[in-house]
Amino acid sequence: GQQLNQSPQSMFIQEGEDVSMNCTSSSIFNTWLWYKQEPGEGPVLLIALYKAGELTSNGRLTAQFGITRKDSFLNISASIPSDVGIYFCAGNYGGSQGNLIFGKGTKLSVKP
Amino acid sequence: SQTIHQWPATLVQPVGSPLSLECTVEGTSNPNLYWYRQAAGRGLQLLFYSIGIGQISSEVPQNLSASRPQDRQFILSSKKLLLSDSGFYLCAWTLPGSTDTQYFGPGTRLTVL
Repeated sequence: GQQLNQSPQSMFIQEGEDVSMNCTSSSIFNTWLWYKQEPGEGPVLLIALYKAGELTSNGRLTAQFGITRKDSFLNISASIPSDVGIYFCAGNYGGSQGNLIFGKGTKLSVKP
Repeated sequence: SQTIHQWPATLVQPVGSPLSLECTVEGTSNPNLYWYRQAAGRGLQLLFYSIGIGQISSEVPQNLSASRPQDRQFILSSKKLLLSDSGFYLCAWTLPGSTDTQYFGPGTRLTVL
């Protein structure tokens, strides 16, 4: 079946540092989404990307839809303690109705 | 604006007992609805999805079932819970006809003892 490879699996960084994570797929995706999940809560949508090459920002977050349509990255600039959580990428390859595929997440820890 | 609710927020049930989790969406009509299970805070597993009242598609064979009795209501059920059913259950919705941007509810933490 379809799979997304998300890396890194976890990150331990100092407050103020920039963060970069990415997802790759063996298949072409039509949509890339990035979510953040905090403990005990549902994932919250951060950024949605719909076109190859699209670069979108949401505050300190920037994400890009890879030109090949098989990858996406998320950058967080000047991290702060509240950035802690698990970040998930998700992609839509245009199959059946339930066709959003999720990466396994990047766990981010920020040291003040 | 649209909102999604799940209840209960937490649930502790004995093995072999029945289960009913509820999800409702407000502020939209005929949404696509999804049930996911998440184990150990990672990895979302799609369980069921629905594109309309009474229409349910199952992604993973198991002892769980889903129903959609009303347009904006999605129910996850089991007749007899197993230990392996423990996890964090998430409901999500998308706009009608869309499978792209999914919005998640707050989740239900289920512990089966």
